[in-house]
Amino acid sequence: QSALTQPASVSGSPGQSITISCTGTSSDVGGYNYVSWYQQHPGKAPKVMIYDVSNRPSGVSNRFSGSKSGNTASLTISGLQAEDEAEYYCSSYRSGSTWVFGGGTKVTVL
Amino acid sequence: EVELVESGGGLVQPGRSLRLSCAASGFTFDDYAMHWVRQAPGKGLEWVSGISWSSATIGYADSVKGRFTISRDNAKNSLYLQMNSLRVEDTALYYCVKASGSYGSGSFRTWGQGTMVTVYS
Repeated sequence: QSALTQPASVSGSPGQSITISCTGTSSDVGGYNYVSWYQQHPGKAPKVMIYDVSNRPSGVSNRFSGSKSGNTASLTISGLQAEDEAEYYCSSYRSGSTWVFGGGTKVTVL
Repeated sequence: EVELVESGGGLVQPGRSLRLSCAASGFTFDDYAMHWVRQAPGKGLEWVSGISWSSATIGYADSVKGRFTISRDNAKNSLYLQMNSLRVEDTALYYCVKASGSYGSGSFRTWGQGTMVTVYS
């Protein structure tokens, strides 16, 4: 079971927009609309930022948005802020009653 | 308020067993699928196992299949993970996670604080 593919790191200046990609296959990302994104600060439990490809849980800033095209999902953070510096993981349901995470992307605010 | 409290982690030698427990409160436990997700020190998240509300659907990562068993007791609002034949590579922080709904949909909505399992030789 291979993980979804994410870039190891992405950086941006305050106020800029950044996009993190998450590439899978037709058996996971491309086959289901159950892609979600998680933010994890050091020493803390992950927090869901986007679910079902593009939906935001209540309380999550509208600066976070998600989308999907084919086998690749994306998370965009607009108006980048210092508090957005964290590790981000994508996840997807995968055929065979399993789930899979991406390897994680370190977001740095310059 | 939704709360998930894991317990049962510890130090163990390779080949031995541990049983993790997760006590859930603040929601109707048998309305939701539940999962275990682990994170090795300094590494990323890895889904370990999941179970539907009725226990009818269960899934395992290839890395633990045949060694770990997930179960739940809806009457006790509890989730379990029986871990046998432990390996050094099973060393990780194990999170109990509440799904957003049924097993094959949604997201990992609420996370516990985790219980640490260390397998040392």
